[in-house]
Amino acid sequence: DVKVTQSSRYLVKRTGEKVFLECVQDMDHENMFWYRQDPGLGLRLIYFSYDVKMKEKGDIPEGYSVSREKKERFSLILESASTNQTSMYLCASRPFQGEGQPQHFGDGTRLSIL
Amino acid sequence: AQSVTQLGSHVSVSEGALVLLRCNYSSSVPPYLFWYVQYPNQGLQLLLKYTSAATLVKGINGFEAEFKKSETSFHLTKPSAHMSDAAEYFCAVSDSSYKLIFGSGTRLLVRP
Repeated sequence: DVKVTQSSRYLVKRTGEKVFLECVQDMDHENMFWYRQDPGLGLRLIYFSYDVKMKEKGDIPEGYSVSREKKERFSLILESASTNQTSMYLCASRPFQGEGQPQHFGDGTRLSIL
Repeated sequence: AQSVTQLGSHVSVSEGALVLLRCNYSSSVPPYLFWYVQYPNQGLQLLLKYTSAATLVKGINGFEAEFKKSETSFHLTKPSAHMSDAAEYFCAVSDSSYKLIFGSGTRLLVRP
């Protein structure tokens, strides 16, 4: 089974702090994703990485950046946290090969910005 | 552009009753379609996927979904609801690229 591990389940930070959310997958997947989930809005893609050191902006990248130095790890960075970034953050991965491959998700990080 | 519409943000059924969660999609190319389930305080778990091999797709936990091209639908069903099925369910569509477009989700409530 694919295992996607997010470093924290719950996190509380203050406005203006730099926040790091970490995600590790154990299946040698090329593609990795960061989403945020808000009630009534479903999942929205923040950033996508199709391989090491490669990244693409998703639908809502403003206020976020990412880092992918190693294939198994994909980090989401909130440069200066704001209260409107309070949300559930989900990481996912999938293999590059084969059309229609599903994404596999971690358990999420519930982030509160005070 | 692709899109997904899930009809009903909340669906309530009695234990043992039929579960029907509706999903309609829009896609300019033959789509790949997925249903995911999310239990409280957890991530999304894949229930089933349609990738053009068969129109009726069986998934985990007794769920199945039927792809109907003429209706652009991919509704999720289960013959008999169990209390453990209470969760939020997401339909998603993809073309041949990496991107998944999610619906806004349907929360299933199961009454004893």
